[in-house]
Amino acid sequence: GEDVEQSLFLSVREGDSSVINCTYTDSSSTYLYWYKQEPGAGLQLLTYIFSNMDMKQDQRLTVLLNKKDKHLSLRIADTQTGDSAIYFCAEGDNFNKFYFGSGTKLNVKP
Amino acid sequence: DADVTQTPRNRITKTGKRIMLECSQTKGHDRMYWYRQDPGLGLRLIYYSFDVKDINKGEISDGYSVSRQAQAKFSLSLESAIPNQTALYFCATSGSRGMNTEAFFGQGTRLTVV
Repeated sequence: GEDVEQSLFLSVREGDSSVINCTYTDSSSTYLYWYKQEPGAGLQLLTYIFSNMDMKQDQRLTVLLNKKDKHLSLRIADTQTGDSAIYFCAEGDNFNKFYFGSGTKLNVKP
Repeated sequence: DADVTQTPRNRITKTGKRIMLECSQTKGHDRMYWYRQDPGLGLRLIYYSFDVKDINKGEISDGYSVSRQAQAKFSLSLESAIPNQTALYFCATSGSRGMNTEAFFGQGTRLTVV
């Protein structure tokens, strides 16, 4: 399968911005996604970006895509304790197969 | 009611036993997937099905089999469970090819093989 890589942990203070990074290998990816997993739950889609876009903003979330470097990031502004979760980067190909990173566990300290 | 439902939510089984995990969806999606989640490894694709007659192996299909009984149902079987199949298993669905679509996940089945 395709390689999608993320760092495993990130710790921030409440009110700060969080930036979660992801790199991927498949240059033919159609969509790139960010999913959130809370303890004991499945994955919920946070946001996605089409591969021909550079940036997408959705309230406190900003997604940046550098297609040349195959680098995707998720910025969460004004991070809250309720944002503590595991965040997965995923890429989707033209056949709707999804490849997930290892997940980044975000810990928000009060 | 959840759009993607997995049963059971938790299961403990013995080495060598056969076990089936079930998934049903009410989203009307053609595509269904089984993933397993292990700490630090993310989600790895076991099997996927793009319609009732189309079933494909994912990256880690050894030791698993699947059955797509209907558009809405996709079950995963472990014919002879082994301890390294202890993991969290997720079923997911998505819409048809060419659509702007995401994967919708069930709540997961935590399987422990002792």
